[in-house]
Amino acid sequence: EFVLTQSPGTLSLSPGDRATLSCGATQSVDNRQLAWYQQKPGQAPRLLIYGTSNRVSGTPDRFIGSGSGTDFTLTISRLEPEDFAVYYCQHYGSSPPLIFGGGTRVEIK
Amino acid sequence: VRLVQSGGGLIQPGGSLRLSCEASGFTFTNHWMHWVRQSPGKGLEWVSRINTDGTDTIYADSVKGRFTISRDNAKNTLYLQMNSLRVEDTAVYFCARPWQWFDPPDYWGQGAPVTVSS
Repeated sequence: EFVLTQSPGTLSLSPGDRATLSCGATQSVDNRQLAWYQQKPGQAPRLLIYGTSNRVSGTPDRFIGSGSGTDFTLTISRLEPEDFAVYYCQHYGSSPPLIFGGGTRVEIK
Repeated sequence: VRLVQSGGGLIQPGGSLRLSCEASGFTFTNHWMHWVRQSPGKGLEWVSRINTDGTDTIYADSVKGRFTISRDNAKNTLYLQMNSLRVEDTAVYFCARPWQWFDPPDYWGQGAPVTVSS
């Protein structure tokens, strides 16, 4: 069974800090099929990055996606107040069509 | 682009409910569509996907045989018919649109809460 595992579960940081979020897959993933979403309370998820490292229009350049194979990373270079949220990695374009990681909560320290 | 959802609510176990997702601002008939759910305090779970003309559908094992995804392209509306509802189906349900069928969804509805409880 294909599973995405995100770590840590919660990241406690201050505005201005660097955040490093990890996403591990149980099988190798095509780089074109890994995305990251941001979700704030009471809102739908927002697509930030697709194809491992491509920012969607409107995603600030402080969000940096990287990785390959089974290990992927979302780095937020310098946290802004609006970045405190839950982040999900996602594998898409396969079967089942969408597989989500369990999420990482970035909270204010 | 807008996806406006309706149809959520409180339902008893074993009951049925239909969710709707009305699309606007894009050519609905050109896009495959998904349903994704999120249980209270939990992560995201893909539920179902449908192709552009409704002839190809696929479901998560957890809902197979109980849920039916469909679409009315004349009304620009996506549906999720949920039968034999269980307590564990309690979640916020989102409709979501990918740009192409193999892409990650880039537009999402606002979510419809479904509570299954006696």
